[in-house]
Amino acid sequence: EDQVTQSPEALRLQEGESSSLNCSYTVSGLRGLFWYRQDPGKGPEFLFTLYSAGEEKEKERLKATLTKKESFLHITAPKPEDSATYLCAVQGTSGTYKYIFGTGTRLKVLA
Amino acid sequence: IAGITQAPTSQILAAGRRMTLRCTQDMRHNAMYWYRQDLGLGLRLIHYSNTAGTTGKGEVPDGYSVSRANTDDFPLTLASAVPSQTSVYFCASSNEVGAGDTQYFGPGTRLTVL
Repeated sequence: EDQVTQSPEALRLQEGESSSLNCSYTVSGLRGLFWYRQDPGKGPEFLFTLYSAGEEKEKERLKATLTKKESFLHITAPKPEDSATYLCAVQGTSGTYKYIFGTGTRLKVLA
Repeated sequence: IAGITQAPTSQILAAGRRMTLRCTQDMRHNAMYWYRQDLGLGLRLIHYSNTAGTTGKGEVPDGYSVSRANTDDFPLTLASAVPSQTSVYFCASSNEVGAGDTQYFGPGTRLTVL
């Protein structure tokens, strides 16, 4: 069964303190792995899509990487406005439509 | 309109009442989805639609129905609301279903069933 596990559940960083969020997945075959940012009371906002192991994408202070078993969202020199919940989802090749979402990592960046 | 809009933003509903959550997208996406988000459980798919005129069941479809009369609109109906349907509901769309396409989400509807 396809599965996504995100860690840690919550993370507190000082402003400028770089760190990484983990998304471990089990899927029969990967169509895509997706990262979203969700602010309180709002819908998930798309960040990145990764399709194959070794792929990397960057946007401002965020960099997403992908291996055959996990993805990392690296946050370099975070700022308080990076505080949010970060969601990971995968879509497999088992013939269904489903995105499987993790439960997210709640990130708090302190000034 | 840019992206996906949902209405209402929030609603408090008595158990047993009928409720329709509205969703409209302007991206001409073929596929649309309804999710519910509950604390500790993440996003779970309720129903989806590959294209106008077709719908399918997701992971948690019981108590919900959908229709897709045109490309832009994808309403979600609770025929007789129950307290366990208290949740935040998100509509999403993508170019295609099952093709690794990115899903884009609306702002959500917070529903409380008393």
